[in-house]
Amino acid sequence: LAKTTQPISMDSYEGQEVNITCSHNNIATNDYITWYQQFPSQGPRFIIQGYKTKVTNEVASLFIPADRKSSTLSLPRVSLSDTAVYYCLVGALNQGGKLIFGQGTELSVKP
Amino acid sequence: EAGVVQSPRYKIIEKKQPVAFWCNPISGHNTLYWYRQNLGQGPELLIRYENEEAVDDSQLPKDRFSAERLKGVDSTLKIQPAELGDSAVYLCASSLRGRANTEAFFGQGTRLTVV
Repeated sequence: LAKTTQPISMDSYEGQEVNITCSHNNIATNDYITWYQQFPSQGPRFIIQGYKTKVTNEVASLFIPADRKSSTLSLPRVSLSDTAVYYCLVGALNQGGKLIFGQGTELSVKP
Repeated sequence: EAGVVQSPRYKIIEKKQPVAFWCNPISGHNTLYWYRQNLGQGPELLIRYENEEAVDDSQLPKDRFSAERLKGVDSTLKIQPAELGDSAVYLCASSLRGRANTEAFFGQGTRLTVV
């Protein structure tokens, strides 16, 4: 299973764009890259998933370079409510089905 | 549609007592996960079910932890006897198997405090 590395914490201000980069040098051909968000006292919540290039939804964008050894979660114009822990996961759920979480990135958005 | 439902939300017990957590996954989801999350850490996988079969329980402390998933739907995680170090949040998640790009849905968790 590919190991992921991401910053322990990040600070931002309301209205700014936040980019959180995750390193996954040993990603396998069949692996997808998935990001989860977790608020205090809640379970993780799926944000976005991608395989290559760029994926965008109503919440975030995910940028994946051609070599797929890293990925960047981009949150546009963050608000206080985006303060949470963000986890980057790599894997293919139809092959073993493991969801392995690292320590995540604790994002703090200030007014 | 209801999400993953867990109960109870909170549980306080004395050490050496037994405790059980219950999970009702999203209807139709054949994969069910139990995770343990300690304060400031990411969730740690304890066991994964495909329907009623436990396909990955390598991280489950089998001397005191047990789990079952009857009829491939609801699941119960039990600790007997509980130790102080078992204090954590226990999360249940479910997903559809068969697609590489599927997502997992998590319940709100059960916060266990062992005193």
